[in-house]
Amino acid sequence: DAGITQSPRHKVTETGTPVTLRCHQTENHRYMYWYRQDPGHGLRLIHYSYGVKDTDKGEVSDGYSVSRSKTEDFLLTLESATSSQTSVYFCAISEEEVQETQYFGPGTRLLVL
Amino acid sequence: GENVEQHPSTLSVQEGDSAVIKCTYSDSASNYFPWYKQELGKRPQLIIDIRSNVGEKKDQRIAVTLNKTAKHFSLHITETQPEDSAVYFCAASGGSYIPTFGRGTSLIVHP
Repeated sequence: DAGITQSPRHKVTETGTPVTLRCHQTENHRYMYWYRQDPGHGLRLIHYSYGVKDTDKGEVSDGYSVSRSKTEDFLLTLESATSSQTSVYFCAISEEEVQETQYFGPGTRLLVL
Repeated sequence: GENVEQHPSTLSVQEGDSAVIKCTYSDSASNYFPWYKQELGKRPQLIIDIRSNVGEKKDQRIAVTLNKTAKHFSLHITETQPEDSAVYFCAASGGSYIPTFGRGTSLIVHP
């Protein structure tokens, strides 16, 4: 597996609380992505980054923000968690030479009560 | 934007049979088509990919075919084994380099 980790791996939180998920890579890849996976919906892009401090929105970005202050770390924040954000969150990375090929982290399972 | 449709959503086969999963895409500019396998509780992992200048690609028991005119591509698994049981995702990407994923196919291989 590519050198990519996510923390925490599991989290239970309550509606209205802020939550931050961390993605850490040791590959020095420029591109990083956050996806959510829900039954029947496949993988949907939340936000992505093409460099330090350079981020952009994906198709399901409402309610989420991201930050990337270092190449190796990409943070996803749920400002005020809602039950609809209960999901499995995957981080992915890709290298500059083959941007389209993505390598996924192990995932974070989030339950919002 | 790109739209990727994947069928079937569930596929059940007997061990040793072949399995075929089909995807269609909408953006004629798409030129890269990867397939990912996700075992239960694990991360999606790339198993094979194809670019638009190639019509078919094989890797042991798996193959992918691409029909650019019809805008569809397929994953073929021959001599299926129980360890092939997983969810398979197709994807398509073009100028933006960011793939759009299909909704996934749950493949069940019965021993």
